[in-house]
Amino acid sequence: DGGITQSPKYLFRKEGQNVTLSCEQNLNHDAMYWYRQDPGQGLRLIYYSQIVNDFQKGDIAEGYSVSREKKESFPLTVTSAQKNPTAFYLCASSIPQGRGYGYTFGSGTRLTVV
Amino acid sequence: GENVEQHPSTLSVQEGDSAVIKCTYSDSASNYFPWYKQELGKGPQLIIDIRSNVGEKKDQRIAVTLNKTAKHFSLHITETQPEDSAVYFCAAKGSARQLTFGSGTQLTVLP
Repeated sequence: DGGITQSPKYLFRKEGQNVTLSCEQNLNHDAMYWYRQDPGQGLRLIYYSQIVNDFQKGDIAEGYSVSREKKESFPLTVTSAQKNPTAFYLCASSIPQGRGYGYTFGSGTRLTVV
Repeated sequence: GENVEQHPSTLSVQEGDSAVIKCTYSDSASNYFPWYKQELGKGPQLIIDIRSNVGEKKDQRIAVTLNKTAKHFSLHITETQPEDSAVYFCAAKGSARQLTFGSGTQLTVLP
C-alpha cells in the first residue's frame, strides 16, 4: 500500500543535540512538507519542497534544516538552535498543483527534550 | 498571505445530534478547501474537500458548504457517533502553493 512513513514514532533529545526525523513516501508525490503541532496551535509549516533538490522555508523555519536529495525522502533535522523543540512533528506530501491539491500525512513523530 | 480562522475551538454534542464547525479565510484567490480529522496520536486524515466552483458537497453523514462571497466554509456532521470524536482542521489553498490550516476544533460526542 502507498503511504508516508515517519520514524521514529517517539524521539528524545538532550539539550544541545541535533536530531533527524525521517519521512519517506511511496506515493510518487512531488511535493513534501513538514509541520509542527503544539497543543491548541494547529499546524505550523516548517519547510516545504516542491521538487527534488529544492526547498523553501515555511513560517517557523528557524532552528530547523531539511534536505531533498530523493523524491521519496524529506528528512528534517532539529538543531540545537531550536530553543523549544518539544512538539509533535508531521510530514505530508501532495501531487503536483493543477492535478489535485490533497495532502497525505504521516503518523507523526513526538519529540521530547530531556 | 492566507489566514484561516476556525470556530469553535471545542464542541461537545450528544450522540445523534449534528455538529457544525465554521472557518473563514482571507485570500479571495483561494480555490480549494479540505477538512481533516485527527485522532489522538495520529496524523490528520482527509475526510472531505470542496473546490471553489462548488457550493456544497456531501459524503454520507458529512457535508461541506462554501460561501465564496462571504469567504467562509463549514463542516456539517449529522447523526454523530462516538467515533466522530477527534480534532478537526479546516484548510484553504490560495495564492501560495501550500495549504494554510485553521487552529482545529476538538469535537467530543457524548454517549
